[in-house]
Amino acid sequence: DTGVSQDPRHKITKRGQNVTFRCDPISEHNRLYWYRQTLGQGPEFLTYFQNEAQLEKSRLLSDRFSAERPKGSFSTLEIQRTEQGDSAMYLCASSTRDRGPHNEQFFGPGTRLTVL
Amino acid sequence: GQNIDQPTEMTATEGAIVQINCTYQTSGFNGLFWYQQHAGEAPTFLSYNVLDGLEEKGRFSSFLSRSKGYSYLLLKELQMKDSASYLCAVRVGRTTDSWGKFQFGAGTQVVVTP
Repeated sequence: DTGVSQDPRHKITKRGQNVTFRCDPISEHNRLYWYRQTLGQGPEFLTYFQNEAQLEKSRLLSDRFSAERPKGSFSTLEIQRTEQGDSAMYLCASSTRDRGPHNEQFFGPGTRLTVL
Repeated sequence: GQNIDQPTEMTATEGAIVQINCTYQTSGFNGLFWYQQHAGEAPTFLSYNVLDGLEEKGRFSSFLSRSKGYSYLLLKELQMKDSASYLCAVRVGRTTDSWGKFQFGAGTQVVVTP
């Protein structure tokens, strides 16, 4: 257990429905990242926050995706009008600058989304 | 754009040594990380290199050559529990920003046999 939690762990939904995932980072970590991982691939960067500010958003993230981190603590990732291609593991990670130059990212267990 | 290549799969016997190579072409290089990921679980941090050379951490060592865009992860005295996917990740960002985002390779599945 890295200290990063995600909820739910699994989500099955029908195409066209909206889904929302939650990530709770390690409490003192300023940065929070979202990644998407499909079978046999490494995680793909989606977006990241420093405190409550969203600093970067990948071109992979269509306008159906939105992420927030309203109080600089937990974050939510919402997918509207889900498509079968959205089926993947959604990983959240957090980091802090206080660990020295390496500042590794700590990953949560992920939310596995299946769109039927 | 970023391009990170690593072999898809490697097999080795218990007690042996395995070396996983990673090559990358990237702009804004700011460190190279290795993560271990067991099936259905989150990636966990193994090692980090930002300067050229070898970093040793118990049974795991990692090497970096920035001029060649090359790294390897060396796993010694393999154990059955080392069967997992090993992800090479390049951190990209400004040199003054030690936080930047990660670009991951597809992972190398290591299978340890008895």
